Amino acid sequence: GAGVSQSPRYKVAKRGQDVALRCDPISGHVSLFWYQQALGQGPEFLTYFQNEAQLDKSGLPSDRFFAERPEGSVSTLKIQRTQQEDSAVYLCASSLAGASGTGELFFGEGSRLTVL
Amino acid sequence: AQSVTQLGSHVSVSEGALVLLRCNYSSSVPPYLFWYVQYPNQGLQLLLKYTTGATLVKGINGFEAEFKKSETSFHLTKPSAHMSDAAEYFCAVSDGGGSNYKLTFGKGTLLTVNP
Repeated sequence: GAGVSQSPRYKVAKRGQDVALRCDPISGHVSLFWYQQALGQGPEFLTYFQNEAQLDKSGLPSDRFFAERPEGSVSTLKIQRTQQEDSAVYLCASSLAGASGTGELFFGEGSRLTVL
Repeated sequence: AQSVTQLGSHVSVSEGALVLLRCNYSSSVPPYLFWYVQYPNQGLQLLLKYTTGATLVKGINGFEAEFKKSETSFHLTKPSAHMSDAAEYFCAVSDGGGSNYKLTFGKGTLLTVNP
């Protein structure tokens, strides 16, 4: 597709359930990012991939959060044993540039997770 | 650690009036600075960015911003607001050194344009 595609757009989970959020970046983009945006806040960095390598996962809030990009294209963010504080919009972005570049980040529309 | 402060979570202007959205940052290294816009039900879109060179940068849709190092500011302006400018605006900073991929965002400013 022309842009970054995320699915599902909306997800409601019961506390304790596992969820998986998918990101399909722009074809050929080297870098892929996940951000978390809580209500009324700006996006906060979670993790960064350059191709299939996860170069930075310093923003993942706990070991319940796991991200992968096994073939250097599609990425999945998995949250295990969801908690209410995980409720947020999860944004995926991709960039043509590598880590040292200043390329524009292209964001998807986000996946809104609500944990009951 | 870097941080971004956007003064005013909500700014309301009349159509045709000046738009001024304020952003101050803190960074221990020369920063890269960005403004992103988010329209309802859409992803964040880059408006403009400052990396090096000219401190007045022009972006899309008639917006511009000026990097003022002495004031640690990067305010966003547009001379004449249009109804289509109504959106949420986010200022962001990255470390201009080795980790410029990691953006630190402000909390955002919601711009309302009144007819």
